[in-house]
Amino acid sequence: DAGITQSPRHKVTETGTPVTLRCHQTENHRYMYWYRQDPGHGLRLIHYSYGVKDTDKGEVSDGYSVSRSKTEDFLLTLESATSSQTSVYFCAITSGTGGGYGYTFGSGTRLTVV
Amino acid sequence: QQQVKQSPQSLIVQKGGISIINCAYENTAFDYFPWYQQFPGKGPALLIAIRPDVSEKKEGRFTISFNKSAKQFSLHIMDSQPGDSATYFCAAYTGTASKLTFGTGTRLQVTL
Repeated sequence: DAGITQSPRHKVTETGTPVTLRCHQTENHRYMYWYRQDPGHGLRLIHYSYGVKDTDKGEVSDGYSVSRSKTEDFLLTLESATSSQTSVYFCAITSGTGGGYGYTFGSGTRLTVV
Repeated sequence: QQQVKQSPQSLIVQKGGISIINCAYENTAFDYFPWYQQFPGKGPALLIAIRPDVSEKKEGRFTISFNKSAKQFSLHIMDSQPGDSATYFCAAYTGTASKLTFGTGTRLQVTL
C-alpha cells in the first residue's frame, strides 16, 4: 500500500535463528503496529509504537521485541524463531487523529519457521 | 480473551444475495467500530466504520447495523457480487494508543 512497505515479503528461516522484519512508512504517522494473522485467530497485536523509542506490548508479545529509532521505521525481531511463530505479519500505521479506523496496512510478510 | 467475537467463520452466498456478518464486543470503552476487507495476498483495507451513537450507516451496498445496548454490530452486503469474495474483519477502537482489536475474521465466498 502506498506510504507503507514491509520487507521482506517472504522468508523461510530455521528454528532458533533470529529474524528481523522491517516496516517503513513515508506518511510521518505517529503510531505503528505489528500484528500477526493466523487462521481462526484473526489479527492479533504483537507490539506497537506511539513515537520514536516509545513502544509497548500487545496481546501476543512473548518471543518478540521491537525497536523504533526513527519515525519511519519500526522493526520486529524474533529473538529465537520457533515453529509457532510461522505466520503472516502485518504492519499498520495511523496518525492517531480521526479515530483508529484510519489504519493503513502493509502487504504483509509471510514467515515460515522450519 | 477474545474481546471482539465474530461469526460466522466462513460464509457462502449466491450472487445477488445478502451477506451478513455479526460481531459482539465486551469492552464498553470501545468507541468506534470499523470493518476491514482483505483480499488474498493483501493487507486489510478499511471498508466502512460506525460510531456507537449511530444505529446504522450505509455506503453503497455495504451497511453496518449497531446495537449499543446489546453490544453487537453487523455488516450487511446487499446484492453480493463475486468481487466481494474476501475475508472480512470487524474491529473495535479505543483511544488508548489508537489501538484496534480485531475479530477472528469471516471468509466470504460469493458464487455465481
